[in-house]
Amino acid sequence: DAGITQSPRHKVTETGTPVTLRCHQTENHRYMYWYRQDPGHGLRLIHYSYGVKDTDKGEVSDGYSVSRSKTEDFLLTLESATSSQTSVYFCAISQANTEAFFGQGTRLTVV
Amino acid sequence: GENVEQHPSTLSVQEGDSAVIKCTYSDSASNYFPWYKQELGKGPQLIIDIRSNVGEKKDQRIAVTLNKTAKHFSLHITETQPEDSAVYFCAAMRDSSYKLIFGSGTRLLVRP
Repeated sequence: DAGITQSPRHKVTETGTPVTLRCHQTENHRYMYWYRQDPGHGLRLIHYSYGVKDTDKGEVSDGYSVSRSKTEDFLLTLESATSSQTSVYFCAISQANTEAFFGQGTRLTVV
Repeated sequence: GENVEQHPSTLSVQEGDSAVIKCTYSDSASNYFPWYKQELGKGPQLIIDIRSNVGEKKDQRIAVTLNKTAKHFSLHITETQPEDSAVYFCAAMRDSSYKLIFGSGTRLLVRP
């Protein structure tokens, strides 16, 4: 299995609080992605990174920000969590136009 | 931007039968089309992929076909087995964007 670790694996938080999810890789892959998975919507791209400090928006980026200060870590931050952000979040890594490897996911519940 | 539509959302087949899942994409510049399988409680895993310079690719019981003119691609699973039961996702990407966009998924159930 590709070396991808997501933390935390589960989190319950209150509406309006900030939340940061972490994705850590040991593969030295250039590209990193954050997706959310919701029933009926499949996997929707939130943000992605194509290098250190190089990030771009995906399909559903509103309410989310990201940072990548080193190759191995990609952080996803919900500045002020809302109930609509309750979801399962997946991190993925890849080299250019090759297989993307996914982490185990983080289940986030906003109450 | 790219939009990927996937059908059907659920598919139930008898063990031994074939299963076909279809996807269409909107960006004619997309040139990489992977398929992922997701088992319960796990992240998706690549099962097969195809690039725009070929029309078909096979790997044992799994095959993918690509029609660039019509902008659609399909996953074919032959001789289905109960362990094929999972959620399957198609995706599309163009070289210059590195955005991997997924379809909404198909839940496949193989009945013993």
